[in-house]
Amino acid sequence: AQSVTQLGSHVSVSEGALVLLRCNYSSSVPPYLFWYVQYPNQGLQLLLKYTSAATLVKGINGFEAEFKKSETSFHLTKPSAHMSDAAEYFCAVRGRDDKIIFGKGTRLHILP
Amino acid sequence: EPEVTQTPSHQVTQMGQEVILRCVPISNHLYFYWYRQILGQKVEFLVSFYNNEISEKSEIFDDQFSVERPDGSNFTLKIRSTKLEDSAMYFCASRDLPGTGGASTGANVLTFGAGSRLTVL
Repeated sequence: AQSVTQLGSHVSVSEGALVLLRCNYSSSVPPYLFWYVQYPNQGLQLLLKYTSAATLVKGINGFEAEFKKSETSFHLTKPSAHMSDAAEYFCAVRGRDDKIIFGKGTRLHILP
Repeated sequence: EPEVTQTPSHQVTQMGQEVILRCVPISNHLYFYWYRQILGQKVEFLVSFYNNEISEKSEIFDDQFSVERPDGSNFTLKIRSTKLEDSAMYFCASRDLPGTGGASTGANVLTFGAGSRLTVL
């Protein structure tokens, strides 16, 4: 069975500071991993995905994530936070079966 | 950019009433999904649908729930007799076949709609 754990339900960073959102996964098979973002009153938008090609994955809006098998992690980073990055971020995993399993989400707050 | 559209955006209903949530997936997608998100909780898988039948469902998806693809474009979720705990945001998603799609799509990427908020009183 697959699962993801997101550390921290709320993260606050100052504008211009590094963003780090943590995600650890559990999977019995090589996983497909995703980060989705949900802006207020909107649906889930794909930020980036890992599908066993490169371990460092670049996504939209300057975000990237690194797959580390030894740590079973897929943390999301962005070098410099922008006010528009304020949103809820979901890490997700897909294994051999058809469904994607989401983490509980991390709400990112950007401080001016 | 193609998108998944959902209606209504918000529905308020009385407990015990039937509700139908509608979704129009991306036109060339063949796999369809419903997820839900209870306020403050995580996004949970409900059901996946392919080739006009349910391919997988979660324990949440009990006999009160059903899905249907009544025509070539719509994908509906019906809750037969709503309960208070059905109050949630319901997300529809779709994806295409393996090996197709561009950089932002592809076999394992679900495209989600904006959601339908259901409030049961």
